[in-house]
Amino acid sequence: GQNIDQPTEMTATEGAIVQINCTYQTSGFNGLFWYQQHAGEAPTFLSYNVLDGLEEKGRFSSFLSRSKGYSYLLLKELQMKDSASYLCAVLDSNYQLIWGAGTKLIIKP
Amino acid sequence: ETGVTQTPRHLVMGMTNKKSLKCEQHLGHNAMYWYKQSAKKPLELMFVYNFKEQTENNSVPSRFSPECPNSSHLFLHLHTLQPEDSALYLCASSQQANEFTDTQYFGPGTRLTVL
Repeated sequence: GQNIDQPTEMTATEGAIVQINCTYQTSGFNGLFWYQQHAGEAPTFLSYNVLDGLEEKGRFSSFLSRSKGYSYLLLKELQMKDSASYLCAVLDSNYQLIWGAGTKLIIKP
Repeated sequence: ETGVTQTPRHLVMGMTNKKSLKCEQHLGHNAMYWYKQSAKKPLELMFVYNFKEQTENNSVPSRFSPECPNSSHLFLHLHTLQPEDSALYLCASSQQANEFTDTQYFGPGTRLTVL
């Protein structure tokens, strides 16, 4: 079966760095997405990786290793507004998005 | 960003009621999706419409009935729901379904409670 694993919850301190991991086992691979979802709001697109390596976008970076079936989202200089759930999703060989259950990130002052 | 809107934002209904959820996208996309989001569970894809044609129905019970009159509007008609159907229902759109780098854009969801 297809499976996406990510931690249920993480806690970090304002100003610090946090890494949210995602491992996947899917039927084929056509890219990996990260979305941010604040409580009661829409998931919003953060990043897309299809090649191995690190993609940087301001305070957020996303890494992919296809051989290991692994990705992480790195958040630097954490701000209180970064408190949200972070969803990992993989586009499989049928171009279907397979979703993880999300990681709830709690930022403490 | 208000590219995808959903109404109502909150809905409470009894098991015998009939109600409809509405989604509208203002992004010029051709694909629209309904998802169910339950606490601590992955998003569950329910239906996909591509150019107004339904291309996916992931074994969704018949008490959920989608309708896509045009590429900008999507409805989810609800009848005789069960308490376990209580969840956040998210609508999304993308340029086209089954595209290689298709990014989906989500609406804020309808929080549904079935009593």
